Order: sequence, then C-alpha cells, then structure tokens
Amino acid sequence: AQRVTQPEKLLSVFKGAPVELKCNYSYSGSPELFWYVQYSRQRLQLLLRHISRESIKGFTADLNKGETSFHLKKPFAQEEDSAMYYCALLIQGAQKLVFGQGTRLTINP
Amino acid sequence: SAVISQKPSRDICQRGTSLTIQCQVDSQVTMMFWYRQQPGQSLTLIATANQGSEATYESGFVIDKFPISRPNLTFSTLTVSNMSPEDSSIYLCSGTGGDTEAFFGQGTRLTVV
Repeated sequence: AQRVTQPEKLLSVFKGAPVELKCNYSYSGSPELFWYVQYSRQRLQLLLRHISRESIKGFTADLNKGETSFHLKKPFAQEEDSAMYYCALLIQGAQKLVFGQGTRLTINP
Repeated sequence: SAVISQKPSRDICQRGTSLTIQCQVDSQVTMMFWYRQQPGQSLTLIATANQGSEATYESGFVIDKFPISRPNLTFSTLTVSNMSPEDSSIYLCSGTGGDTEAFFGQGTRLTVV
C-alpha cells in the first residue's frame, strides 16, 4: 500500500539552528516525492521535488531508497520558515498525490 | 505556473442542504483533483475530476454525496450534498499540467451547523 509518514506533528527550533523534517514512504513503484509548504494565510504550494535535486529557500531533500525516506533539511532556520510542511508521494499512472500528516514548523527568535 | 481561483472561500451551511464549490484555472491543466482536510488532519483525496466523464472516487467517497463536474480543462465543481456537521472541513481543489507539480486553490472552509 502507498503511504507517507511524517512522524512529527510539531517541530520547534530556534532561529539559526538546523532543521530536519522527517518523511518516510511506502510505495511499490518508482517513487516521485515532493515537499509542499503552506505559510500562514497562503495556499499550499510546492517547495521542492526530488527529481529536480535543487535547493529552494535553503532547503534540500534527498531521496534515500534504502531507507525509503525523503527528509527535508535546512542548515540555518529563519523565522520566515515557520509554516506547515507536507511530504507527498506521486502515484504513477493515476498522477495523484498521497500526503503525509504534515509537520508544523515553528522557528523561535 | 497555473493559478486556481476557488470559491467560496468559506461558508456556514445548515444541515441537510448542499453547497457547490467552484474552481477556475487560468490555463489548461491535465488533471484536476478534490481534497478534504479535516481539522488537524492531512489532505485526503476525494476524487479525480475527469473532463467530460464521471469522476473517479477514492475509497470512502461516493458520487451521491460528492458529485463532481468538469466540463472543460479549466473548470471543475464539487458539491457537498445533504450536509451534516461531520462534513465541516476545508475542501481544496488542485490541478497538474505538463509536469507533475500540483497547484492548489485557496481552499473552502465549510462549517455545517
């Protein structure tokens, strides 16, 4: 069965500290994974996807097929990173997304 | 990138009534989807809106309760029928175009009283 797990519902770190939001998946096919972010009073939007292998707003995420993980990392958190983060898995063929439960990240000054 | 306009943004409805939510995309998208986000929970896919044919519903969701239309590549509606307080939720539409990036509407916050 396809599933995305984000074990932390809430995560709070201080400004300047490193951040890691965990995401694990279960999928029998070739995984295509995304991180979506929702800032306060804004719509859900794409942060990054594993196939582009790029850094967005200082965030990176590496797909680890051995550990079936796609953790989101940033070396130095900023206050504007406070938001709700969702890890999502694309189901091939149907082209639909399965979302994790989401992690609310709070960056303390 | 595509921009999706969703309306209404919120509504308070009486139980037993129906509400239709509309999504308009500013460009053609290949796929459109409807999600529900209950308080404190993740996004759950309701159905895939298929252009010119019946929507494809996920397990636990049925057409009689959530009829969906998609008359063209830029517009879709979701109706929440015969509402009960358990239907109180945020409803989101999304679309994907040539690549796999999904774009989302602003969401409709529905409260059933």
